Amino acid sequence: NAGVMQNPRHLVRRRGQEARLRCSPMKGHSHVYWYRQLPEEGLKFMVYLQKENIIDESGMPKERFSAEFPKEGPSILRIQQVVRGDSAAYFCASSVGQGVHTFGSGTRLTVV
Amino acid sequence: GENVEQHPSTLSVQEGDSAVIKCTYSDSASNYFPWYKQELGKGPQLIIDIRSNVGEKKDQRIAVTLNKTAKHFSLHITETQPEDSAVYFCAASNSQGDDKIIFGKGTRLHILP
Repeated sequence: NAGVMQNPRHLVRRRGQEARLRCSPMKGHSHVYWYRQLPEEGLKFMVYLQKENIIDESGMPKERFSAEFPKEGPSILRIQQVVRGDSAAYFCASSVGQGVHTFGSGTRLTVV
Repeated sequence: GENVEQHPSTLSVQEGDSAVIKCTYSDSASNYFPWYKQELGKGPQLIIDIRSNVGEKKDQRIAVTLNKTAKHFSLHITETQPEDSAVYFCAASNSQGDDKIIFGKGTRLHILP
């Protein structure tokens, strides 16, 4: 039973390009969460999704960021027109509810 | 919203000694308190968790305590070993709500030889 799979592990984008981060939850998990971690800081909640629904996006910037979890396929976190301040590690977690999250290994985004 | 404070930010202990990390939370609706260990370049790994109907939980060398009245919880690691060196995060969540986890800022634990 594979854990939470994130790809790519590392992503380099030039300012103004788009970044697409993918997350496949653990088998049987229907809840997906995205968190962002800046260097030397804790993880900050961005968005919570269930299949085809965004449940809570209160932590996600209103512009340039979007997330989806389609009926088939992985969850996608998309960042349009990236800026240097978007450089961070982005972690996905999945859950069956009741709080217990399993995290992936993250995608480290570097904007040059 | 929930706010989790964590102390200390850095902790150095001699191998074999105990380490204690303390956290406070603000939202009385929080009822689930996980602790994560993060090694360099990796994702957070759940090491122990406690729910609000329990005051203490132990798993081998790791124990957590929860004081709901004071809204604080602690992680205790006994007989520390070199492989315990990592960043530890406390967190709080309302598992009856939307389950999102609010993290503390982390404690960098160094185990000294």
